[in-house]
Amino acid sequence: QKEVEQNSGPLSVPEGAIASLNCTYSDRGSQSFFWYRQYSGKSPELIMFIYSNGDKEDGRFTAQLNKASQYVSLLIRDSQPSDSATYLCAVSPDTGRRALTFGSGTRLQVQP
Amino acid sequence: EADIYQTPRYLVIGTGKKITLECSQTMGHDKMYWYQQDPGMELHLIHYSYGVNSTEKGDLSSESTVSRIRTEHFPLTLESARPSHTSQYLCASQRSSTNSPLHFGNGTRLTVT
Repeated sequence: QKEVEQNSGPLSVPEGAIASLNCTYSDRGSQSFFWYRQYSGKSPELIMFIYSNGDKEDGRFTAQLNKASQYVSLLIRDSQPSDSATYLCAVSPDTGRRALTFGSGTRLQVQP
Repeated sequence: EADIYQTPRYLVIGTGKKITLECSQTMGHDKMYWYQQDPGMELHLIHYSYGVNSTEKGDLSSESTVSRIRTEHFPLTLESARPSHTSQYLCASQRSSTNSPLHFGNGTRLTVT
């Protein structure tokens, strides 16, 4: 089992719809959770981070964390074609001496 | 926003050459990382450092080496480039806190002919 799992997609949604991206992780002691967006040929850029159970909203983006279920998700409301990218989930371990672990990413396609 | 710089942006080089990919950050971050990523594929951690004179190998076996003599500088060296090294190399930095995100450079796209 991989430490951080994501559905590779592609996830296809129509413009204006809500896109829901999911991520599960295996290390129950994980402390912090990050969502990155990566356009083709570009570097990942941070969209959101979440540390506590529940929801965290930033503009059109909402991150949801459920530590009991070891599950983190990203909702994108009013999806735009410019949101088409690969979304990477990253999990921080319970100690500072290990690197962040990335999932393999979910490719999102927003159809105009 | 973190400032992290990678040079060169693109590099085409012949087999057997020695190359060094540069990475520098101006934020005073203790942690730095090198990732390798093929087009459309996942990130693979190849080296990381938690501070000066501290380097460790990542999850992906790599023939490259790194050094961390100064906090701001984390170069990656390939002693003898091969076509299998053709890939995108991404450098990232992070504050010491476990809760801190990674900040990525723009990457170096390496092609070995």
